Amino acid sequence: EAQVTQNPRYLITVTGKKLTVTCSQNMNHEYMSWYRQDPGLGLRQIYYSMNVEVTDKGDVPEGYKVSRKEKRNFPLILESPSPNQTSLYFCASSLSRRRGSSYEQYFGPGTRLTVT
Amino acid sequence: AQSVTQLDSHVSVSEGTPVLLRCNYSSSYSPSLFWYVQHPNKGLQLLLKYTSAATLVKGINGFEAEFKKSETSFHLTKPSAHMSDAAEYFCVVSDLVPGRRALTFGSGTRLQVQP
Repeated sequence: EAQVTQNPRYLITVTGKKLTVTCSQNMNHEYMSWYRQDPGLGLRQIYYSMNVEVTDKGDVPEGYKVSRKEKRNFPLILESPSPNQTSLYFCASSLSRRRGSSYEQYFGPGTRLTVT
Repeated sequence: AQSVTQLDSHVSVSEGTPVLLRCNYSSSYSPSLFWYVQHPNKGLQLLLKYTSAATLVKGINGFEAEFKKSETSFHLTKPSAHMSDAAEYFCVVSDLVPGRRALTFGSGTRLQVQP
């Protein structure tokens, strides 16, 4: 089954304790992205990756890191989490974005993170 | 720069009555537009998309949307609401320039369906 998976689905942690949220897709998509969802704000992009070893900042990258060493995986790293990073996080993937075309993104089930 | 405005944060309808969720966008380029739905405690599912073909787009579960360039709108409609339509709906715009960020989301419209 074609899907985007995220782990963990729920996480409660304390300020400053490094954590990683994993994301994996099995559709051979070049493009992957991380979003956070906060009430009244919709989804905002954190980072995205056009392909292996190619990453760039989205709207709200502060406090986050990503890496793309393999095509299927795109982990989100919080080196020193803070309470304002409490949010619902979604990973997404799509075919490569080329000029003149656009592909819908496929979303993972979400990771609910609470930082105390 | 692109942006999306969903004109209603909450919409409440009775089961069997029409649904209208409003969306206006701005984009520097010919946009692609999407509607996604999010059921409680679930991920996002694509309802439909517009990518410069027919201006009236049909999606899943009886939903459709009409792209109106002159009004910069992409409103979502359904003739008859069902209880299972209760969810949050997001209008999304995507620019087509390589290297830019991918999707800009509206703030969402929560649809309530009363029995």
